[in-house]
Amino acid sequence: GAVVSQHPSWVICKSGTSVKIECRSLDFQATTMFWYRQFPKQSLMLMATSNEGSKATYEQGVEKDKFLINHASLTLSTLTVTSAHPEDSSFYICSARSGESGNTIYFGEGSWLTVV
Amino acid sequence: GENVEQHPSTLSVQEGDSAVIKCTYSDSASNYFPWYKQELGKRPQLIIDIRSNVGEKKDQRIAVTLNKTAKHFSLHITETQPEDSAVYFCAVNDSWGKLQFGAGTQVVVTP
Repeated sequence: GAVVSQHPSWVICKSGTSVKIECRSLDFQATTMFWYRQFPKQSLMLMATSNEGSKATYEQGVEKDKFLINHASLTLSTLTVTSAHPEDSSFYICSARSGESGNTIYFGEGSWLTVV
Repeated sequence: GENVEQHPSTLSVQEGDSAVIKCTYSDSASNYFPWYKQELGKRPQLIIDIRSNVGEKKDQRIAVTLNKTAKHFSLHITETQPEDSAVYFCAVNDSWGKLQFGAGTQVVVTP
């Protein structure tokens, strides 16, 4: 299947700083990528849809200015958590849709963010 | 918006028995229904999916059935093995093409 790579796999940052997470589709072009957040023992909650060349669309309740999304190319989307706080600590996962695989959605490895 | 409900939240089965997880959804326009397996700390892995023009799909020990009229679909795992222990999520694409996930089912297979 298609490969989606996410980096970093884990990061620890100080409260008040910003952290950038990258999501890459390695062997296909993805005009649309999705960002999810998953707290321990909970389901994946969709945060936003990242659209190549245009602004991301955010789910209700997700702060646009806090979770900055950039999708500058067909293979890369980035999520920046600005002014991170301990409550932002979570598992962040991106996914991308592969049109070549019948629009199947593939997930990145995920990024563990811990804000101290 | 799409509302996906998944049951049960936990499921314990003896090795060799079958496991069934059920999901219901609300948007009749949804047409793609994947199932994911997630091990602790790892990404969800697609294990099987079904599209609305099909009622059943099978892949070795795993099968999915879809009832579009009733808006529910189920995952069936036969001859369960300890390595099947994980959290399983159903998902449904909403009218915007975004995947909405069920709450998950923790499956424990005991030897």
